[in-house]
Amino acid sequence: DSGVTQTPKHLITATGQRVTLRCSPRSGDLSVYWYQQSLDQGLQFLIQYYNGEERAKGNILERFSAQQFPDLHSELNLSSLELGDSALYFCASSVEGWDTEAFFGQGTRLTVV
Amino acid sequence: TQLLEQSPQFLSIQEGENLTVYCNSSSVFSSLQWYRQEPGEGPVLLVTVVTGGEVKKLKRLTFQFGDARKDSSLHITAAQPGDTGLYLCAGVPNYGGSQGNLIFGKGTKLSVKP
Repeated sequence: DSGVTQTPKHLITATGQRVTLRCSPRSGDLSVYWYQQSLDQGLQFLIQYYNGEERAKGNILERFSAQQFPDLHSELNLSSLELGDSALYFCASSVEGWDTEAFFGQGTRLTVV
Repeated sequence: TQLLEQSPQFLSIQEGENLTVYCNSSSVFSSLQWYRQEPGEGPVLLVTVVTGGEVKKLKRLTFQFGDARKDSSLHITAAQPGDTGLYLCAGVPNYGGSQGNLIFGKGTKLSVKP
């Protein structure tokens, strides 16, 4: 158990819908990262938050947004969903940046039908 | 273009064999990490290498970081079925002194048959 909790574990929804994925980091970790993993693209960095502030952005679509709350949990919002958004979405947390060890959650498997 | 190229993509071997997985790039990395991921789980960090030429050992696993910090390898001795999984290398690119974010290779899917 990495100490990072992601909910839900599975999500099936229709095209055009909006979903929210939730991540609770390990106790004491200030950084939260979101990654998307698909079969053909591998793990793609989406966005990083540090202590409530956005720190870095990767290949995140405009239809996607995220935030980190005062209690440090984070949510990833995906809207106007398309079939191609079907993937595993991982959250990871670390004490600070990537120079400190990061721990991944078990992921949320999103299926858009 | 994938910044980190892993090879081979797939590897199926018998228990007891040795194997090496490679992670190559034309970019310099501040550090390189190796993860192992099992189906339905998140990646689990195995090791981080920071210094060019560094070699780290973790039981039967040996990790090496290239002298120029552009490549890395993972060698497994006497593979066991429990080593089966997806091995991912990941690196923090060094953009002229400033660091980027952790990027991943596509992984090597290893299957060790008893």
